[in-house]
Amino acid sequence: AQSVAQPEDQVNVAEGNPLTVKCTYSVSGNPYLFWYVQYPNRGLQFLLKYITGDNLVKGSYGFEAEFNKSQTSFHLKKPSALVSDSALYFCAVSLSTGGFKTIFGAGTRLFVKA
Amino acid sequence: EAQVTQNPRYLITVTGKKLTVTCSQNMNHEYMSWYRQDPGLGLRQIYYSMNVEVTDKGDVPEGYKVSRKEKRNFPLILESPSPNQTSLYFCASSLTGQGAYEQYFGPGTRLTVT
Repeated sequence: AQSVAQPEDQVNVAEGNPLTVKCTYSVSGNPYLFWYVQYPNRGLQFLLKYITGDNLVKGSYGFEAEFNKSQTSFHLKKPSALVSDSALYFCAVSLSTGGFKTIFGAGTRLFVKA
Repeated sequence: EAQVTQNPRYLITVTGKKLTVTCSQNMNHEYMSWYRQDPGLGLRQIYYSMNVEVTDKGDVPEGYKVSRKEKRNFPLILESPSPNQTSLYFCASSLTGQGAYEQYFGPGTRLTVT
């Protein structure tokens, strides 16, 4: 079965420290990979995506993510966390075969402490 | 302003009473989709539409119907709601259904079925 895993329900980090939110996937073919963020009582907002090319992609609000094909991972990173980064983060995979379906991970809640 | 709108934002109803959640986008996007968000499960795709009059099932279509008669609108219909359909629902759109484009999400509709 095709799936996306976010192994940590919650990540806690101190403000100013680097943060990593993990994502691994298991799909057939070459997927398109995305990160979205959800703030309280809001819809999801796009952060960044990997389609092809450079394995390190940069996105909004200083976030970046590294695609690792051999490990089938797409971890989200930020060099210096802000309290305002506290939110729910979703990794998602779009399948290029069998119709345009999107599979989301269960989400990781990030807490940044001042 | 480019946006996806959903109505209503909150809805409490009783088992078996038909309801419709509307979704509209003003970006001339070809692709639209409905998701439900449940704690610990992330977002699961209900239905998606590649273009007008083209719809297909996602991972959890049971108990739902959709239609795409106009490009901008993609209503979600629950003909006989049941308590297990209590959830947070999101509509999303993207430029095309080719998978490489990020999705724009509406603000969500919180549905409670008693």
